[in-house]
Amino acid sequence: EDQVTQSPEALRLQEGESSSLNCSYTVSGLRGLFWYRQDPGKGPEFLFTLYSAGEEKEKERLKATLTKKESFLHITAPKPEDSATYLCALHNTNAGKSTFGDGTTLTVKP
Amino acid sequence: DAGITQSPRHKVTETGTPVTLRCHQTENHRYMYWYRQDPGHGLRLIHYSYGVKDTDKGEVSDGYSVSRSKTEDFLLTLESATSSQTSVYFCAIREDRDNSPLHFGNGTRLTVT
Repeated sequence: EDQVTQSPEALRLQEGESSSLNCSYTVSGLRGLFWYRQDPGKGPEFLFTLYSAGEEKEKERLKATLTKKESFLHITAPKPEDSATYLCALHNTNAGKSTFGDGTTLTVKP
Repeated sequence: DAGITQSPRHKVTETGTPVTLRCHQTENHRYMYWYRQDPGHGLRLIHYSYGVKDTDKGEVSDGYSVSRSKTEDFLLTLESATSSQTSVYFCAIREDRDNSPLHFGNGTRLTVT
């Protein structure tokens, strides 16, 4: 059974204080590892897809990396507007269904 | 934003009543999904559709049914609402190509009293 575990559950940072969020996974057939951002009262918004170990993708202050067992979302010099819940998901081989982690809620204080 | 509209955005209903939530897309995507999101459980798949009249169960389908009579509309019905179905419900769509991401609506907050 596919599993996704995210840590920490919550992370509080000062503005400018860089850190990383972790997503550990087990899957029988990886078709993609996805990162989403979710703001309060809204649906998740797609950020990145990673397909194979060693791959990296960047967007503004965010960089996502992938190994065979985990993915990291690195946040460099975060700003208060980066505060959100970040979700990691596996896209498995079965009709495009995705398995989500419980998310990491990031709070960035000015 | 992907063209996904969920209605209603908020609903309060009583235990035992039927409830229907609607998801409407303007993207003409083949795949549509219903998820529920609860604290401590994350997003869990209820049902999904891979075409008109083609649907299948997800991991938490008991007590729910779906229908898709048109490409653009995917309905989720709680046949007899229970308090355990109090949740936020999200509809998502996905393009029919490998590894395409999900695009979500803004959710329906359902409270069953």
